[in-house]
Amino acid sequence: NAGVMQNPRHLVRRRGQEARLRCSPMKGHSHVYWYRQLPEEGLKFMVYLQKENIIDESGMPKERFSAEFPKEGPSILRIQQVVRGDSAAYFCASSPRDLSYNEQFFGPGTRLTVL
Amino acid sequence: KNQVEQSPQSLIILEGKNCTLQCNYTVSPFSNLRWYKQDTGRGPVSLTIMTFSENTKSNGRYTATLDADTKQSSLHITASQLSDSASYICVVIDQTGANNLFFGTGTRLTVIP
Repeated sequence: NAGVMQNPRHLVRRRGQEARLRCSPMKGHSHVYWYRQLPEEGLKFMVYLQKENIIDESGMPKERFSAEFPKEGPSILRIQQVVRGDSAAYFCASSPRDLSYNEQFFGPGTRLTVL
Repeated sequence: KNQVEQSPQSLIILEGKNCTLQCNYTVSPFSNLRWYKQDTGRGPVSLTIMTFSENTKSNGRYTATLDADTKQSSLHITASQLSDSASYICVVIDQTGANNLFFGTGTRLTVIP
């Protein structure tokens, strides 16, 4: 059973371009979480999705950021018109059910660099 | 305000020594507390999950304690190894929703030979 997979591992974009980050949860996991980690800072929650539904996007900026978890395929975090401040590591995590008492497994992250 | 604070911010110890990391939280109502290890450039890996009724839980050389009355947790590492060098993150989950996780900023541990 492969772990949580994220791609690309490293992504370089120029200001104004779009960044697409992909996350494939562990097999059997229907809950996906996205986090952002700025250099030398802790993880910050962005969005929580179940298949085809956004459950909580309270940590995600209202503009330029969007996320989806379609019925088929990976979860996508999309950042439009990137700015230098978007440079960070973006981690995806998955769990089989909600987090009340279930373990959450993290992917290796995507490091986004905006030039 | 729900917060998770960790101390120390960073720590350097000699290989083979023990150390204890602290986590204080104000999250309420409390559901469970987790410790994660994050190696540089990698995603966090779960070490322990502790519920309200659990005081101590071990995972190899890692032992976590929880005092739900004082809202404090500690992570004790025994006989440290160079591979223990990482950030250790305390995360508290409340009961109000499945996605309400509160992250500490972590303790950066460096083990030197």
